[in-house]
Amino acid sequence: KAGVTQTPRYLIKTRGQQVTLSCSPISGHRSVSWYQQTPGQGLQFLFEYFSETQRNKGNFPGRFSGRQFSNSRSEMNVSTLELGDSALYLCASSEGTTAYNEQFFGPGTRLTVL
Amino acid sequence: QKEVEQDPGPLSVPEGAIVSLNCTYSNSAFQYFMWYRQYSRKGPELLMYTYSSGNKEDGRFTAQVDKSSKYISLFIRDSQPSDSATYLCAMTARAGSARQLTFGSGTQLTVLP
Repeated sequence: KAGVTQTPRYLIKTRGQQVTLSCSPISGHRSVSWYQQTPGQGLQFLFEYFSETQRNKGNFPGRFSGRQFSNSRSEMNVSTLELGDSALYLCASSEGTTAYNEQFFGPGTRLTVL
Repeated sequence: QKEVEQDPGPLSVPEGAIVSLNCTYSNSAFQYFMWYRQYSRKGPELLMYTYSSGNKEDGRFTAQVDKSSKYISLFIRDSQPSDSATYLCAMTARAGSARQLTFGSGTQLTVLP
């Protein structure tokens, strides 16, 4: 079974631009979560989608948004990029949304904002 | 203060050593505890999952939870160079829907051959 895939793997943007990141979950998985990983703050939860509905949202500004499609693929968008948005953005998929459902992480998208 | 504190290391040990990794937390609502391993340029992978106080063993790995002290540990026996990675503790309060993981900052481990 193929793992979680994220595209692109690396991205360089400038301040003020917007960016869209994509995540394809493991086949059959309906839950997709997004996390931001930085050296200073570590891994922080952004949001979780299940069956095209946002189930939970972390403490991030409204510039961060996401969506999920009927095939469970998910995208996250960051508008008006700031230098502090430079991070590794990780996507994780799981079969369900309970704490018992293991989350499988993708390799991440490394975003650099100049 | 962060909800989950983890010593970032780096930690360097010789091959065969017993490694102890620890996290403390402040939110008593946390009930489910996980340890993830993250190799360089990879996403985290789940190593251990537990939801009760006590020990859970899986091969060379033992996870220990002490809810009364709000303290969790991961022990690695007979450590190998392939164990060199960043280890992240994670925890969540809810078993039901809308679960959200809170991670420690990670401990960077190097096992020297």
